[in-house]
Amino acid sequence: EPEVTQTPSHQVTQMGQEVILRCVPISNHLYFYWYRQILGQKVEFLVSFYNNEISEKSEIFDDQFSVERPDGSNFTLKIRSTKLEDSAMYFCASRGGQRRGYTFGSGTRLTVV
Amino acid sequence: QQPVQSPQAVILREGEDAVINCSSSKALYSVHWYRQKHGEAPVFLMILLKGGEQKGHEKISASFNEKKQQSSLYLTASQLSYSGTYFCGTGGARAAGRDDKIIFGKGTRLHILP
Repeated sequence: EPEVTQTPSHQVTQMGQEVILRCVPISNHLYFYWYRQILGQKVEFLVSFYNNEISEKSEIFDDQFSVERPDGSNFTLKIRSTKLEDSAMYFCASRGGQRRGYTFGSGTRLTVV
Repeated sequence: QQPVQSPQAVILREGEDAVINCSSSKALYSVHWYRQKHGEAPVFLMILLKGGEQKGHEKISASFNEKKQQSSLYLTASQLSYSGTYFCGTGGARAAGRDDKIIFGKGTRLHILP
């Protein structure tokens, strides 16, 4: 069964530092997403990415955030100058088409101290 | 807009049935259902794309009423493994070739007792 792989599984960072969360989506998938979940609450949309550009981003996804697909396989989320409220589980997801479900990665737990 | 799920939580005994509802205030193109176990990622159960469509997955099925902008997830003869939080996710209509993100509801916690 193809998987979405996320690294690291845990990241602890000091407030104000930059973090990069990495994801390897399923190879033949076309659509990529970042979501986050705070303490088992709702899964919040951050950004979607298709055809090598951002399709849509939420109000949460401000100038502090950026995404890249640097080499055709990795999909990264960068958070500049992290804040305490950025602490959450960050999930990467991908899907092969609009009529398909998402496959989520196992997530990166980010703790900002 | 975030879809509304009900109930917020359900406790069942093994073998009992449950229905989880999901409704939206805006027109829907698709409804997704996912299950998340504690400390794990959400796992895709099924997607419904047309009004009146029903899909099944073992003893878990779902319906989609496009007119009412609602979907329901049916769990029959529940098993211990069904415990977890169920999320519906809704997507609006988009032009072909363009993607529309899924907005998830707050989830319904399901606990199955032996």
